[in-house]
Amino acid sequence: AQKVTQAQTEISVVEKEDVTLDCVYETRDTTYYLFWYKQPPSGELVFLIRRNSFDEQNEISGRYSWNFQKSTSSFNFTITASQVVDSAVYFCALSVVRDDKIIFGKGTRLHILP
Amino acid sequence: ETGVTQTPRHLVMGMTNKKSLKCEQHLGHNAMYWYKQSAKKPLELMFVYSLEERVENNSVPSRFSPECPNSSHLFLHLHTLQPEDSALYLCASSQDALVGTEAFFGQGTRLTVV
Repeated sequence: AQKVTQAQTEISVVEKEDVTLDCVYETRDTTYYLFWYKQPPSGELVFLIRRNSFDEQNEISGRYSWNFQKSTSSFNFTITASQVVDSAVYFCALSVVRDDKIIFGKGTRLHILP
Repeated sequence: ETGVTQTPRHLVMGMTNKKSLKCEQHLGHNAMYWYKQSAKKPLELMFVYSLEERVENNSVPSRFSPECPNSSHLFLHLHTLQPEDSALYLCASSQDALVGTEAFFGQGTRLTVV
């Protein structure tokens, strides 16, 4: 069975600090996709990134970076120089090719304090 | 303006009422989804439609009845709901229903059953 664990329920950091959101996944499939979504207070989930299981290259997009480590089944997300607008709930998700379902973690609520 | 629009944004209904949630996507996508987001629970996929055909029904109670009249519109008809059905209901769309396709979400309907 597939599972996504976001152990950090809630994190608070002061603006301009760096923060890392952890995501650990479980699957026996070799072909799968991992996602990160952001849910601001307005409610909609905003797609941030998708990674397939064959691409372990880390990615950087502006202040956002992602560290995919198959050896530890982790797909962590780092925000550098955090801003108040980064305050949101962040979800990690897993989707395997064999199964049409997408499994979301419980989310991490991130508070960036001014 | 979001590409996925949900109405109403808030809904309060009694357990004997019948109501419908509406979702419209302006992105030309072929797949649409209903998700339920409850407090302290992971996001749950309820229904998936691909090219107006239902392809996934995750053991959702029959008091929730989806309808997809065309690829741009998705409804969720509600009747005789229970208080535990109170949640944020999110609609999403994607280019297709293939695994690994990123989804675009609406802002949700906050449903309260009294």
